[in-house]
Formats: sequence, C-alpha cells, structure tokens
Amino acid sequence: QVQLQESGPGLVKPSQTLSLTCTVSGGSISSGGYYWSWIRQHPGKGLEWIGYIYYSGSTYYNPSLKSRVTISVDTSKNQFSLRLSSVTAADTAVYYCARDFNRWFDPWGQGTLVTVSS
Amino acid sequence: NFMLTQPHSVSESPGKTVTISCTRSSGSIASNYVQWYQQRPGSAPTTVIYEDNQRPSGVPDRFSGSIDSSSNSASLTISGLKTEDEADYYCQSYDSSNRGVFGGGTKLTVL
Repeated sequence: QVQLQESGPGLVKPSQTLSLTCTVSGGSISSGGYYWSWIRQHPGKGLEWIGYIYYSGSTYYNPSLKSRVTISVDTSKNQFSLRLSSVTAADTAVYYCARDFNRWFDPWGQGTLVTVSS
Repeated sequence: NFMLTQPHSVSESPGKTVTISCTRSSGSIASNYVQWYQQRPGSAPTTVIYEDNQRPSGVPDRFSGSIDSSSNSASLTISGLKTEDEADYYCQSYDSSNRGVFGGGTKLTVL
C-alpha cells in the first residue's frame, strides 16, 4: 500500500523559496505508470493543483504558478520535491503530495502547513 | 480553461439521501473523468468516486457518482446518510492540457 509523507520547513520568509519533499513508501516512483503531484489548500479554502512529475523527469505545471514552480524527482531516494520561489503571504497553505493516475489523485500525503511570514 | 462550480453547503438528516452537484463552465463534462474526494477536518482528502462513477474498494455503496451531459454536470449522491459522512466534498477533473481542476468544495452537514 503506497504511502506518501511531506517534509520541509513550516515557516518561510517572504521573497524566499519554499522547498518541500515527498517521500514515497510501499511502491517505487521509478516503476512508472503514475505521475506524482503537488496540491495545496489555502487555510479554510479549496484545493489548487500545482503540478506533476513523471519518474523520467517530465513535468507539467499549473499555468497560474508556472513561473515560480519547479518539481524534481530523485528515484534513488524514492522522493519528489517542490520548490516555489518568491513566496508571499498568499502562498501560506497546507501542501499535499499525491500519487497521480491521469489526474486521479490517490493516495494523498497527510499534508504540511507552510506559513509565509517574516 | 474551465471551472467546476459546487454548492457551498448542503444539509440533510441521517438516513436520507443527498446529492451534490458539480457544474463544468465550458467544454463537455463527459470529455474528462470526474473524481470526488471527501475531506474531514484536519485530514487529507480521500477518494470516494473516481472516473465518474467508480468506487474504490472500502468506500460504501451508499456513495455513487454520475454525469449528466444535458446539465453539463457531475453529481455525487450519498444515500442512507450517516453522521460520519459529514465532511467537505470536492469534485475534480482536468482539461485538455491535463491541468488538474478542482471544484470549490461543498460542506455537507448531517443533522
């Protein structure tokens, strides 16, 4: 049974870069067949898809965030990562990683709250 | 680009049936699969319906999904409501570029 776990700093200063890692257990990213996505949820709000990566390294980002987002993969560690640059308070959210089967997201990690504040 | 519009909230009594709608703003609802997720407070979303009307193992058959091309909408129906069904429900689909799109979410109250 695949499980995902997000990790990274819970507090990031404005204008800096948010960096999170998702560790996958119970399955191999490099086995293929699935994409791996990041999704965020602003406090008390709905869900926003950020982007995905395939084990080969190919990516696709939400156009609304594309200029600031980088998603990478480390198959040797069975991890994929999110970097979001030039953050502002509007980037404060719970960030989830999820396995992505053609945009069916399942399962999800437990989520990690990232607060942007000085 | 399109949007998915859901009612902000719905409420119903235990044992009754409730339907949550999800209307696609442009393009056909049938063009791309629709998923439904349940999110309880403080928890990550979990799938209750995928590919329009498929139920993952472990999800009770009280949950069902459908699409209606005439109204360009998808629906999640929960029958025999239980208090444990009280949660936020999100529909989700994707566009021709494979961009994930979520509805705004519906808060279900079982009272």
